[in-house]
Amino acid sequence: DIVMTQFPDSLAVSLGERATINCKSNQSLFYSSNNQNYLAWYQQKRGQPPKLLINWASTRESGVPDRFSGSGSGTDFTLTISSLQAEDVAVYYCQQFYSRLFTFGQGTKLEIK
Amino acid sequence: QVLLQESGPGLVQPSGTLSLTCDVSDGSISSPIWWSWVRQPPGKGLEWIGEIYHTGTTNYNPSLKSRVSISVDTSKNQFSLQLSSVTAADTAVYFCARGSFGDYHAFDIWGQGTVVTVSS
Repeated sequence: DIVMTQFPDSLAVSLGERATINCKSNQSLFYSSNNQNYLAWYQQKRGQPPKLLINWASTRESGVPDRFSGSGSGTDFTLTISSLQAEDVAVYYCQQFYSRLFTFGQGTKLEIK
Repeated sequence: QVLLQESGPGLVQPSGTLSLTCDVSDGSISSPIWWSWVRQPPGKGLEWIGEIYHTGTTNYNPSLKSRVSISVDTSKNQFSLQLSSVTAADTAVYFCARGSFGDYHAFDIWGQGTVVTVSS
């Protein structure tokens, strides 16, 4: 199995400030034949299903605000929220799809400071 | 926009079989994409259970493979999950989800989820 580890487990950021969430895999998620990283980011608000934010490590889904961005390659990835809004309070998950045994990180809880 | 809706019993007896169905609306289950089940135990993270293609081809999480069966009914535009020999550890919110394009994919559309409790 590809193990996904997120850090920190929880994070408190002031409104308008930057929030950074990290995700590390125990093997590379980069596929050289198509130059893509097989990683996604999700946002899950309380009582709701996960929502896909970022696909292929850095491609924002349609309708996702541009304050959300994804970066990284290989085994180390980052989700950045450039200016935290109150509605961004949620748990964020990374997920690898390099292997068809799809696995998720343990989640990072983001709160307002 | 495709919509997914899970349904099934909210309470299952220990050692019994959990059975859930996901109805796909505003889209065809015969599209060239995979359809998955994902679960989330109370207060915990996400675990992918398995997926099915409209042809009936399946792909299961090895940790659950001996107990899981996923099937598809194209005439009803739905797919189903059966999990046998359940224990309290199988108590979770169960989501159905659509794979984004291709065999290697994220999950771009999710149902609202259904709570299943394993208890006598």
